[in-house]
Amino acid sequence: DGGITQSPKYLFRKEGQNVTLSCEQNLNHDAMYWYRQDPGQGLRLIYYSQIVNDFQKGDIAEGYSVSREKKESFPLTVTSAQKNPTAFYLCASSLTKLQYQPQHFGDGTRLSIL
Amino acid sequence: ILNVEQSPQSLHVQEGDSTNFTCSFPSSNFYALHWYRWETAKSPEALFVMTLNGDEKKKGRISATLNTKEGYSYLYIKGSQPEDSATYLCAFGGGGNKLTFGTGTQLKVEL
Repeated sequence: DGGITQSPKYLFRKEGQNVTLSCEQNLNHDAMYWYRQDPGQGLRLIYYSQIVNDFQKGDIAEGYSVSREKKESFPLTVTSAQKNPTAFYLCASSLTKLQYQPQHFGDGTRLSIL
Repeated sequence: ILNVEQSPQSLHVQEGDSTNFTCSFPSSNFYALHWYRWETAKSPEALFVMTLNGDEKKKGRISATLNTKEGYSYLYIKGSQPEDSATYLCAFGGGGNKLTFGTGTQLKVEL
């Protein structure tokens, strides 16, 4: 079955540590996205990529980095510069960058601070 | 930052009741309005994408309408069932390459 796989499901970060969240899709989608969810807030866009080797900052990119070396993969690194990383992270993809394309989501990764 | 609001924040209904929620969004620079259903412990699932003023979409007992001139969309569920319990998200596309999500309406359908 086609879909999006995020791993791990739960992740713990120590102070000063960088951690990487994995997102893989086998839908052959061009566009991929990373969102963050905090209690009482809507999904907020961290980074997005319209095509391989290209990505743009979303609304809350500070303290995060991404890469898009393969069409299927869009890993998110939470750096030590992100002072409040505890949140639920969702990865999504769509066929193209066009806004009338529905987005398909993974199951999410919950990141906590030790 | 665009303002996308959903109401009510949460809703409890009895099995068989019909219900509806609202999504309000900016009435300018409209490109698309998305609805997603997010069940606990699962991933959000796309229900509808609407692009034209006056659009109506239907999927089983769930339907949605769109008014881009006044900036709102309604989601209706007819004859709610326990399996409809979920958080319903709307997302506004105002041009550019990203969606702005509302905070969701959490629906609980009780037997």
